[in-house]
Amino acid sequence: QSVLTQPPSVSAAPGQKVTILCSGSSSNIGNDDVSWYQQLPGTAPKLLICDNNKRPSGTPDRFSASKSGTSASLGITGLQTGDEATYYCGTWDRSLSVRNWVFGGGTKLTVL
Amino acid sequence: QVQMVQSGPEVKKPGASVRVSCKASGYTFTTYYIHWVRQAPGQGLEWMGIVNPSGGDTTYAQRFQGRVTMTRDTSTRTVYMELSGLRSDDTAVYYCARFDYGWGGHDHWGQGTLVTVSS
Repeated sequence: QSVLTQPPSVSAAPGQKVTILCSGSSSNIGNDDVSWYQQLPGTAPKLLICDNNKRPSGTPDRFSASKSGTSASLGITGLQTGDEATYYCGTWDRSLSVRNWVFGGGTKLTVL
Repeated sequence: QVQMVQSGPEVKKPGASVRVSCKASGYTFTTYYIHWVRQAPGQGLEWMGIVNPSGGDTTYAQRFQGRVTMTRDTSTRTVYMELSGLRSDDTAVYYCARFDYGWGGHDHWGQGTLVTVSS
């Protein structure tokens, strides 16, 4: 059971847009920045978005993200078959005496 | 360029310990904290803890406290994660990842080390 809640899967057709939600609480998303990771099958995760909405070099501008209150979202436009991957949100959690990093359960994107 | 190169796959028996290494290159080793994350087969990412390569201080996820030890060797630019009392449900790919506080995320990851626990 992840501290951050994501839908297990989403799907859309090539060229379309999809949004992935990440729901948390005041102990995590509500008090810290969110990052997003893309994990292609059989590979290590890759940082896609950091500080809620910043794209590291190499992340296409088809990917965007935002945060509001205790939730965050990742948007992908102009879907491509190469975007098929599992996407994870992550942030710091302060519910214990020391900060721990937490990940969402992951959302598998299928491009139909 | 930044690289995080991990040690090879391991097969261990239940109750044994495993040590995974992660050798960093291409940046100032003591400047960035290193996180350890694991992923069981078909499952999501699970954070295990963090080690400060400069001072060696650590923070472990509560569920691993007492079983995990993270250390570093500044002379070889290597961090280590040792997990003891292995069980079958510790079978997973273990990743090291550099955390960039400026960017607020894990910007470079190791290739992963598969640890299989089986009798």
